[in-house]
Amino acid sequence: NAGVTQTPKFRILKIGQSMTLQCTQDMNHNYMYWYRQDPGMGLKLIYYSVGAGITDKGEVPNGYNVSRSTTEDFPLRLELAAPSQTSVYFCASRKGQDWDQPQHFGDGTRLSIL
Amino acid sequence: GESVGLHLPTLSVQEGDNSIINCAYSNSASDYFIWYKQESGKGPQFIIDIRSNMDKRQGQRVTVLLNKTVKHLSLQIAATQPGDSAVYFCAEKLRTDSWGKLQFGAGTQVVVTP
Repeated sequence: NAGVTQTPKFRILKIGQSMTLQCTQDMNHNYMYWYRQDPGMGLKLIYYSVGAGITDKGEVPNGYNVSRSTTEDFPLRLELAAPSQTSVYFCASRKGQDWDQPQHFGDGTRLSIL
Repeated sequence: GESVGLHLPTLSVQEGDNSIINCAYSNSASDYFIWYKQESGKGPQFIIDIRSNMDKRQGQRVTVLLNKTVKHLSLQIAATQPGDSAVYFCAEKLRTDSWGKLQFGAGTQVVVTP
């Protein structure tokens, strides 16, 4: 059981480039989340989805876009990479049937914008 | 404990001793709390959770205590082992949130010494 899988694990981008961070889960979870984690800080929510075709902004959505065409996949898109987007990005999922369920995380994508 | 900025509070514990990690949560309207463990280069790993209608919950070698009067959450780890060395995060969910969105603290670095 793979859980939440994120690819790539590492990436270096130049300013202005675009890329998509991939996230897939095999637990049939309805809810999925994208976070960023800056050094020495907690996680900040970027976007989340409560099911296929339904997404909404989190705390720090500027500069990012998401889509959710299937239950399994929740890609995060950076259109014009900026140095401020250098961070570690985590994807998480939860079943969503009950309110008191923890999120389960992938191992992250470490992104540097130079 | 909580911190702002690049320097996480650090708890140094001798192997075999008990650890107590503290978290001051921010919102009296939170109804669900989770502790996560994050090892270097990995994503957050669920440890234990507690609802706001409880004040204590026990797991394997871990206990979470919730004091709603002072908005304080603690994680106790019994007989700390070298594998417990990691950053520990508390997270809270607001009662008004229907989508399981979490707010994370900055984390506490636990270092287990032989």
